Formats: sequence, structure tokens, C-alpha cells
Amino acid sequence: NAGVTQTPKFQVLKTGQSMTLQCAQDMNHEYMSWYRQDPGMGLRLIHYSVGAGITDQGEVPNGYNVSRSTTEDFPLRLLSAAPSQTSVYFCASRPRDRGGGPEAFFGQGTRLTVV
Amino acid sequence: EDQVTQSPEALRLQEGESSSLNCSYTVSGLRGLFWYRQDPGKGPEFLFTLYSAGEEKEKERLKATLTKKESFLHITAPKPEDSATYLCAVCNFGNEKLTFGTGTRLTIIP
Repeated sequence: NAGVTQTPKFQVLKTGQSMTLQCAQDMNHEYMSWYRQDPGMGLRLIHYSVGAGITDQGEVPNGYNVSRSTTEDFPLRLLSAAPSQTSVYFCASRPRDRGGGPEAFFGQGTRLTVV
Repeated sequence: EDQVTQSPEALRLQEGESSSLNCSYTVSGLRGLFWYRQDPGKGPEFLFTLYSAGEEKEKERLKATLTKKESFLHITAPKPEDSATYLCAVCNFGNEKLTFGTGTRLTIIP
């Protein structure tokens, strides 16, 4: 049981390049989400999914795309990287509903630098 | 819009010196309030969920409490290994989203 796995751990991109951050979970969780963490800003929600085939925007979705073709995988695509997307990205998963709001399990993060 | 404010931003304590971290929140319908611990270069690690005012949860030297407007994370006789950033988040009944505070960076000095 690996939990939530993110790849790569580190990435440097040039402005305008595209790339995909990978996220996989083996806990059969319905709910998956992507956050970015910047100094002084806390964790901000980019996109989330409540199940395969269903995605929605979070607080800061511009410049990012997601898809959810399977329960296990939730990749985040940067279409045309910009320096403002330099950040640490976290993927999280949790079961859909346990009545009180289930805790989320986080991956180890991807540190992205756009130059 | 849900909001979470954590204070102080940073806290330095001597080993054994007890203190509390504050998490103030506004949310239209609280489904749950969460505390996480985050070590440098790592993802947040779940500590507690609190669901209603008056509830308390404990784990080793940590105790979390909840009122209708804020939550406290009490640290009793901390050790250097308790040094980390502590994050607070709320989940709204109306949606599945977690709203995070900016965290308190705790340093325990031996």
C-alpha cells in the first residue's frame, strides 16, 4: 500500500513548455485534488475530482488542466508554463463521504521551477 | 467564502515549554476541521479531525480543541521532534473542498 504517489519530485521547465505532473493512489479513494503551496499563501486548491470522469475547478485553475479516466490516477497538465507557476504541487486523495468530512492523504509533492 | 487564519506565523519554544497554536475560521456550515503536520520537503500528514464545538482530540503531546469560531492545538512539554509547520483546514458541508490556513511554523529548541 503506497498511498499517494507523485512524480516527478523535482522539475525545471522553460517558459512556454508543457508537462504533466502524475498522481496515483492505491486506496480506492473517490475524491482526488491538486493543490499548490506558495510561501505565505498556504495550500490553494487547483482542481479536484469526485470520481472517474468528473472534475471541477478549485480556487486557482487557470493554466492547468486535469482529467480523471480511472479511480487511481489524476494527472495535472501545465499547458504553457509561466514563472508564476513556480511552486510546490501536492496531490491528495480521500474517501468521498464519511459523514463528518474525511481526512485527506497527501503525496510528497512536486517542486516545479519555471525559468 | 470559507476562511482560515492561523496564528502565530512562527513560534519558538524551549523544550518542555507548553503553548498553543490558534486557528480561527469562518465557514457557512462546518463539516469538519482538520489539523495537519508538515515537515520540510514533505506532504502534510493528518493529525486530527474535529466535527463540533466542544470536541477534543489528543495524540501524545498534542491536544486539539474546537469552538464555534476557532480551534486550538495545545502542545504540552514539547520535544525537538515536534518541530514542524502545523496546518489547519476546514471542510464545508456544501462542497468537498478543504480550505487551508497558512500554517504556524513551530521550532522547539533543545
